[in-house]
Amino acid sequence: DIQMSQSPSSLSASLGDRVIISCRASQSVTTYLNWYQQRPGQAPKLLIYDSSTLQSGVPSRFSGSGSGTDFTLTITGLQREDFAIYFCQQVTGTPFTFGPGTRVDL
Amino acid sequence: EAQLLASGGTLVQPGGSLRLSCAGSGFIFSNYAMTWVRQAPGKGLEWLSAISGTSRSVYYAGSVRGRFTTSRDNSQNTLYLQMSDLRAEDTAVYYCAKSLRLPRCGAECYQADFWGQGTQVTVSS
Repeated sequence: DIQMSQSPSSLSASLGDRVIISCRASQSVTTYLNWYQQRPGQAPKLLIYDSSTLQSGVPSRFSGSGSGTDFTLTITGLQREDFAIYFCQQVTGTPFTFGPGTRVDL
Repeated sequence: EAQLLASGGTLVQPGGSLRLSCAGSGFIFSNYAMTWVRQAPGKGLEWLSAISGTSRSVYYAGSVRGRFTTSRDNSQNTLYLQMSDLRAEDTAVYYCAKSLRLPRCGAECYQADFWGQGTQVTVSS
């Protein structure tokens, strides 16, 4: 199975900040990497797929990059509604494993 | 607008069985692969299973293979998760999710783009 890790596990940020979250795969997933946002009490929401493609309706302050084993999610200009947990997921091979999550707090 | 309504979650004893359902609407159900993901209390997301739009391909996580069975009835726009030999560690919110449909993979894409609200399964005596 492909193992996913994320760093940091949590971070504190302020409104307007630029936040970078890293995700690493134990082996290459090419660019088959998704990012999800989960707010408290809500289901996850797809932000980015194929490493860098913004899902329809997602604000452009979210961006993703990377290939192979190393990926980043960047939030440029943090908004109040962005305080949440972010998960990466590889969809190269089953099981389609998730990272452990990164909590973004105020 | 797509909607997914998961149901069937309840309190069940260890060793018991349960079937979850996920009713889809607002989209052509058979055109999309579907996924089950769970989240234990205070924990992260665990991918469980995925099924292609035609049911030709079904995949499972090792933790549930042989105990859980995913199926779908496209005539009823419904996804199912049959769970057996339930254990305390299966306690979680169970989410169903619809996948994207991309040109390169059609109804066999597994990027979950829309999630239902989840249904709670509690395994306890």
